[in-house]
Amino acid sequence: QKEVEQNSGPLSVPEGAIASLNCTYSDRGSQSFFWYRQYSGKSPELIMSIYSNGDKEDGRFTAQLNKASQYVSLLIRDSQPSDSATYLCAVSPDDYKLSFGAGTTVTVRA
Amino acid sequence: GAVVSQHPSRVICKSGTSVKIECRSLDFQATTMFWYRQFPKQSLMLMATSNEGSKATYEQGVEKDKFLINHASLTLSTLTVTSAHPEDSSFYICSVPGQGARGKNIQYFGAGTRLSVL
Repeated sequence: QKEVEQNSGPLSVPEGAIASLNCTYSDRGSQSFFWYRQYSGKSPELIMSIYSNGDKEDGRFTAQLNKASQYVSLLIRDSQPSDSATYLCAVSPDDYKLSFGAGTTVTVRA
Repeated sequence: GAVVSQHPSRVICKSGTSVKIECRSLDFQATTMFWYRQFPKQSLMLMATSNEGSKATYEQGVEKDKFLINHASLTLSTLTVTSAHPEDSSFYICSVPGQGARGKNIQYFGAGTRLSVL
């Protein structure tokens, strides 16, 4: 069983719509949860971190964490063509070592 | 500006040669750095944890004699791919843990090195 699983995608949404990304993890000891955005040929860049149950909003991005269900999600509101990228969910037991999901590729259609 | 500097950004080499990749922490000292590998269309896989002044810790299935890691100072870790073969062609990325919000650590990634072995 994979440690971190993401919805397979690719996900295509029209400009201005909401993109919804999901992630589940297997290690109940996980404490830190991250969403990274990776453009083709580039290294990942952190867009959201979340550590406690509930929602966390940052601009057009909202992360949701439910530790009981071992579930993390990311919503991208008012999607823009520049949001087209692969989104990686990462989980860590200790703030240091990260386990990444396979990623979900999002395409925002203009 | 960049927190982590990784060089070179791209390497093309012949099979059997060795390639050294550098990862520098620019803003803070790092006793620990991480090396990841990413094959096309796949996610990042942690290869090893680089420890300043001591041996690196390798993840299961990663050959320590093939991927040599040296963390000689608090700002520099190097990954040497020895006797590279075409199957070693990949995107290698280093990361440095740093201070994020609420005292939590976050990982700062280098720009990555695209290795192509002919």
